[in-house]
Amino acid sequence: GENVEQHPSTLSVQEGDSAVIKCTYSDSASNYFPWYKQELGKRPQLIIDIRSNVGEKKDQRIAVTLNKTAKHFSLHITETQPEDSAVYFCAAKGGNDMRFGAGTRLTVKP
Amino acid sequence: SQTIHQWPATLVQPVGSPLSLECTVEGTSNPNLYWYRQAAGRGLQLLFYSVGIGQISSEVPQNLSASRPQDRQFILSSKKLLLSDSGFYLCAWGTSGGSRQYFGPGTRLTVT
Repeated sequence: GENVEQHPSTLSVQEGDSAVIKCTYSDSASNYFPWYKQELGKRPQLIIDIRSNVGEKKDQRIAVTLNKTAKHFSLHITETQPEDSAVYFCAAKGGNDMRFGAGTRLTVKP
Repeated sequence: SQTIHQWPATLVQPVGSPLSLECTVEGTSNPNLYWYRQAAGRGLQLLFYSVGIGQISSEVPQNLSASRPQDRQFILSSKKLLLSDSGFYLCAWGTSGGSRQYFGPGTRLTVT
């Protein structure tokens, strides 16, 4: 089955800096890669996603890149703000089930 | 628009007691439904998913079971809870044939 690894597990940046979170997946049949943001005690919220036929997608300060050959994808957050502080999860999906990474706790220091 | 509900929001149960968590979705038909568990400070573990009434796929063998008695209702059950069943239980829905999944508010279960 699919295995998703996520790095780093924790990330601390200064407000205004960029943050990058990386994930790798094992199943070449996976074709959908979402990113979720989870604030403390809340449900995960979908923030951006990408399909395997696209190499990059951007939404304001957030972008995701996908390298199918290397089986890795990354989340890029630019001009970070304190409200970006949360746990971020990547996931990979092929078929009906989705596999999640272990999460990255991002702290943005004012 | 679509809305997903879960109840109860929090639950404290003794070891060996039964469990029933409910999830319902509004504003869509024939959704794919999912149950996930999140242990404290950990990632999301897929427990069950369903593509239709009475169709349940289990990802992790354990003392939990799931049922889908109606199109937009998904129930997670246990006959006897274990301490290790404590966690944050999240229901999610997605469109049939689609990829995106949207999570409900979750149920925080503490087994004592």
